[in-house]
This record gives sequence, C-alpha cells and structure tokens, in this order.
Amino acid sequence: AAGVIQSPRHLIKEKRETATLKCYPIPRHDTVYWYQQGPGQDPQFLISFYEKMQSDKGSIPDRFSAQQFSDYHSELNMSSLELGDSALYFCASSLGTSGPLDTQYFGPGTRLTVL
Amino acid sequence: DAKTTQPNSMESNEEEPVHLPCNHSTISGTDYIHWYRQLPSQGPEYVIHGLTSNVNNRMASLAIAEDRKSSTLILHRATLRDAAVYYCILRLQTGANNLFFGTGTRLTVIP
Repeated sequence: AAGVIQSPRHLIKEKRETATLKCYPIPRHDTVYWYQQGPGQDPQFLISFYEKMQSDKGSIPDRFSAQQFSDYHSELNMSSLELGDSALYFCASSLGTSGPLDTQYFGPGTRLTVL
Repeated sequence: DAKTTQPNSMESNEEEPVHLPCNHSTISGTDYIHWYRQLPSQGPEYVIHGLTSNVNNRMASLAIAEDRKSSTLILHRATLRDAAVYYCILRLQTGANNLFFGTGTRLTVIP
C-alpha cells in the first residue's frame, strides 16, 4: 500500500538559510499535518491543512510557513534557520472526514540539521 | 489539550503479555482514547482507539475502565519489534484534529 512520502529524507543547512520540506500524502487523503520532533523529545504539532486550507495551527514559528497544493501535497518552508530548528519533521496524512476518529498515517520524516 | 499520564518506561520479556497503563482523569464523555507508537527511527503509527468499550485488533487490545479515567493497552505477546515509545492520546470530539503527544512509555523488550 502506498504510504506518505517525504523529501528530502536528510537536509543540512547553515544558520540563516532557508529550507523547503515536501510531503506527498497517501492517495485520496485530503488532510496533511506537520509535526516537529527535537532530539530526545516527543513530536509537537506545527500546522495542518484540509482541502488546501489551513485547518489548525500549533507551535509553528513565524519564520515557518506551509501550504497545501491542488494535488494535496504540502510544503513546509522554513526561513532564517536557527540551530534549534534541527529536528525530525514528520508529515502525516488522513481522510479528514472523521474528526476524532481519523487515523493519521506518518511519513518517515525529514531530518534537518542546521549548522 | 486533555492530559494523559503514562509511566516513562516499562520492560517486558519477549513473548510475554505487556500491559501499558494510561491515566486520563479529566477525560470528557465524548473524548476518544487513541494509542500510537513510534518505533526507533520511524514516524509514529496508529495502534488502536476506543470510546467506552474494550477493543481488539490485530495489533493489540484496549481495555477501558468503566469510569473512563484510565485505560490499558495490551500487547498479547511482545516481540522485539514491539520495542517502541507508546503514546496514549485523547482525541476531542470537537476542536483540532491534531495529535497531542505527551510523554509516552518507552517499552523495552528483553529477548
């Protein structure tokens, strides 16, 4: 079965640079979530989209932005990178019609290292 | 976000049952109880969910207390592949659909 695809899998950037992470949801899934997991920490919700509209917002820095495109893939844009942005970034997708019953399927993550 | 409390870590011998507890004393009547797990170097994955009744699926069983203030995830025969961090998450009937990952339980399976 098709899974969530994230690219790139690894990314190394310098401070103050920009980065773009991409997420391709499972086919026919219309909802995408982004989570950040720092070293030794639990995943933290950043932002989500349903049918190409932002649906919820978590602890996403103002330096980050995201969008969902017409083909439902999503991109997380990160600017003015800081050392503290080094983390695993997970994308998850779901069929956003079941509210608290929807199952989120996670991708393998993108490991971002900021030097 | 509705709060859950889990032990930081647990150990189990391989091929023995494992009971992972979760307290959620502030749960409301319409909150669903979900369990996800995160295997090493992987994204989280769904395990099971329930509302009031006990639930079984191919991965695990979920036992929910009658007052719903606690629940237990049961792995019937732990394998080395079950070593992971297990998260008990309350999903609210209304509001945001994102998952709130508290501090889960790190399960170590001893061969």
